[in-house]
Amino acid sequence: GAGVSQSPSNKVTEKGKDVELRCDPISGHTALYWYRQSLGQGLEFLIYFQGNSAPDKSGLPSDRFSAERTGGSVSTLTIQRTQQEDSAVYLCASSLGTSGGIFEQFFGPGTRLTVL
Amino acid sequence: AQSVTQLGSHVSVSEGALVLLRCNYSSSVPPYLFWYVQYPNQGLQLLLKYTTGATLVKGINGFEAEFKKSETSFHLTKPSAHMSDAAEYFCAVSGEISNTDKLIFGTGTRLQVFP
Repeated sequence: GAGVSQSPSNKVTEKGKDVELRCDPISGHTALYWYRQSLGQGLEFLIYFQGNSAPDKSGLPSDRFSAERTGGSVSTLTIQRTQQEDSAVYLCASSLGTSGGIFEQFFGPGTRLTVL
Repeated sequence: AQSVTQLGSHVSVSEGALVLLRCNYSSSVPPYLFWYVQYPNQGLQLLLKYTTGATLVKGINGFEAEFKKSETSFHLTKPSAHMSDAAEYFCAVSGEISNTDKLIFGTGTRLQVFP
């Protein structure tokens, strides 16, 4: 079947604009993660969804960042009032669940965000 | 909090030579350890992982890693490098929070393979 897909693959925006990044996880995967990969910070965890549980938002860098997961499937990461330091590759991953690292996280190809 | 240190941001080897990528971790709980590979303009792909049990873990593409608790290390090795192994490699740890598997990554090591 299809892997994790993300759209758009590239996004260029102007400082101060809002952006939405989309992630389609693998069908049947209940866990979904967002990570950010940037030159300055490396790969860092942003947010995690598992089924109907409250998301773990502990990695979101500011209140300009938010994410939702509708119907337990597709997720959207929204960045409001973008800043140049938000420029990065945003990676989405999904897995069958969470159980002591047993379930592999499958990563999408990422969305490269450039804030001018 | 858990953390990962990868020694050497760049490693260069000749084709056929041993590959050794170093990873040390810090964790207050028994860690789950992972190696991921990232090819240019692609997402991350799991090479191998250690959760419990045997400390020598074999992964895809001929890679293996050994969990050494006494040294807090999880180094990645491959006996003979191929040109196709050129990529960036990330070591990661999880397990501190029991109800999530969020990954804490190292800064990555870029592997170059010369003919």
